[in-house]
Amino acid sequence: DQQVKQNSPSLSVQEGRISILNCDYTNSMFDYFLWYKKYPAEGPTFLISISSIKDKNEDGRFTVFLNKSAKHLSLHIVPSQPGDSAVYFCAALDQGAQKLVFGQGTRLTINP
Amino acid sequence: GAVVSQHPSRVICKSGTSVKIECRSLDFQATTMFWYRQFPKQSLMLMATSNEGSKATYEQGVEKDKFLINHASLTLSTLTVTSAHPEDSSFYICSATRGGVVETQYFGPGTRLLVL
Repeated sequence: DQQVKQNSPSLSVQEGRISILNCDYTNSMFDYFLWYKKYPAEGPTFLISISSIKDKNEDGRFTVFLNKSAKHLSLHIVPSQPGDSAVYFCAALDQGAQKLVFGQGTRLTINP
Repeated sequence: GAVVSQHPSRVICKSGTSVKIECRSLDFQATTMFWYRQFPKQSLMLMATSNEGSKATYEQGVEKDKFLINHASLTLSTLTVTSAHPEDSSFYICSATRGGVVETQYFGPGTRLLVL
């Protein structure tokens, strides 16, 4: 039972353009969401988060949008840079179980 | 700050042997550490939550006698895969939190286990 889903295993974007990574969740009790970035042979590093009381959070080139009614969030990266090439994981905080629930990840490749 | 290390980074072992993976928080005290397992092209699946000085809490479906977790100090947690079999081959990642704040986890680089 995959409660957090990233349906695109990979995404290829040209440098300078916008990258949009999507994430869907099924549990309406989730109220805090995070995005992580992972390079090969390294652990995931925190990128940006959003609480369900907001529908947008911005940090530099990164913006996360949350649509609670659709149970959908997205990460926008603009402009995309070659260093953004990595695997991006979406995660939701399960407050009751005190754990993070992760999606499968999307491999983003930024082409020069 | 908030660096988490794992050792070894890669390990190959024979079926039936046991393997120990260490997770260390290098510059902070971690009251809670998490162990995850990741299969290729799949999400990080939480295996267990370990709190310093107490028994680990295992997720449903994770065999506690097979995956032994010890969180003996505020900077070290170990995962021992006992009597390893080829199906245990996977990528194991730990994370650590300060003060048990679940949404602020610092991840280690992971350990690739291959059981022959």
